[in-house]
Amino acid sequence: SQELEQSPQSLIVQEGKNLTINCTSSKTLYGLYWYKQKYGEGLIFLMMLQKGGEEKSHEKITAKLDEKKQQSSLHITASQPSHAGIYLCGADRLDTGNQFYFGTGTSLTVIP
Amino acid sequence: SQTIHQWPATLVQPVGSPLSLECTVEGTSNPNLYWYRQAAGRGLQLLFYSVGIGQISSEVPQNLSASRPQDRQFILSSKKLLLSDSGFYLCAWGLGPKYTQYFGPGTRLTVL
Repeated sequence: SQELEQSPQSLIVQEGKNLTINCTSSKTLYGLYWYKQKYGEGLIFLMMLQKGGEEKSHEKITAKLDEKKQQSSLHITASQPSHAGIYLCGADRLDTGNQFYFGTGTSLTVIP
Repeated sequence: SQTIHQWPATLVQPVGSPLSLECTVEGTSNPNLYWYRQAAGRGLQLLFYSVGIGQISSEVPQNLSASRPQDRQFILSSKKLLLSDSGFYLCAWGLGPKYTQYFGPGTRLTVL
């Protein structure tokens, strides 16, 4: 079964609207990462969260890790066409050392 | 600063042909190196990771193989490509399992 579930799978919003993407884990998260992938390009690192309750912001994007460390949300305020792409959460897999695994991804389209 | 390169950017190959994708990292020493694949409509899947020269761990049984002939060089190969090998291949580096991974620009492979 998928260990990191993202919702929604896809999102279409009007420019200027706020939106939230969720990432839920079946196990405790020890490091949660958010990436953005522009279509056909490599991944861009956005933020990393480690502590329960932690919140980080970068420009108009805010990410939070809940207290129980099993869910993270990514919130975009006043979306712009440049925010379009695929958003991926990722997590360390401590039980196997070097592995890192990704969520199912959320495709965001921003309509001008 | 660190830079990661991948080539080629796009590749169209016939079924049964060999494959060689190359990834090189600049500006760091002894990085952990990773190969991922993103198949159409699916999340990222870790294929191989390496913690040092000649050390390769495979995550998914398949007809692909990886090699690390030099500290900052990671190669993904296949002797005979399958249609199911089509996808977007990403190379990444990181300082270790707990550290952020940085991704290359990716290679889009189409097997016909």
